[in-house]
Amino acid sequence: EAAVTQSPRNKVAVTGGKVTLSCNQTNNHNNMYWYRQDTGHGLRLIHYSYGAGSTEKGDIPDGYKASRPSQENFSLILELATPSQTSVYFCASGDGGARAETLYFGSGTRLTVL
Amino acid sequence: GDSVTQTEGQVTVSESKSLIINCTYSATSIGYPNLFWYVRYPGEGLQLLLKVITAGQKGSSRGFEATYNKEATSFHLQKASVQESDSAVYYCALSPSNYNVLYFGSGTKLTVEP
Repeated sequence: EAAVTQSPRNKVAVTGGKVTLSCNQTNNHNNMYWYRQDTGHGLRLIHYSYGAGSTEKGDIPDGYKASRPSQENFSLILELATPSQTSVYFCASGDGGARAETLYFGSGTRLTVL
Repeated sequence: GDSVTQTEGQVTVSESKSLIINCTYSATSIGYPNLFWYVRYPGEGLQLLLKVITAGQKGSSRGFEATYNKEATSFHLQKASVQESDSAVYYCALSPSNYNVLYFGSGTKLTVEP
């Protein structure tokens, strides 16, 4: 069954440390996205990609980098983690529909930065 | 910029009663946006419930309906008779007409009481 898998499910990091969140999709979708969700807020877009080798900035990219080494994998990198980056992170792949693509989400990664 | 507003953070309804979850949007991009409802059931990932890409049209799925009202800039989610299994968090979202990026509302947690 096609799926979007995120790892790790939970992560505790120290301030100033490097954190890498991984996402793998078996949907064969070109588009992939990283969102974060904080209590009382909707999902906010951090970075996205239209295919291997491409990354684009979303609405809140500061403090984050993204890497898309292959069709299947899309990573979110926090080079110098800060407590304000404590959040739940969601990865999604998009079917690239001509109008209004559908997104398929992973189960999320809960990141705590101490 | 484009945005979505859900005014109710939590809604509690008795089983077999009717439901409406409010959603209004603001879109500044050219053309009419595409509108979506996504849902997260307990223990599951976020998934598409329904979408409507044409103003004035209605979308439906699993007994839920939503009508794209461009005059009122609304996309309320309704169901005539809810079940316990409908308990979940519901997110309204939009994408600009010419751009495959989703903007989410803050979500409404629905609890259906037996």
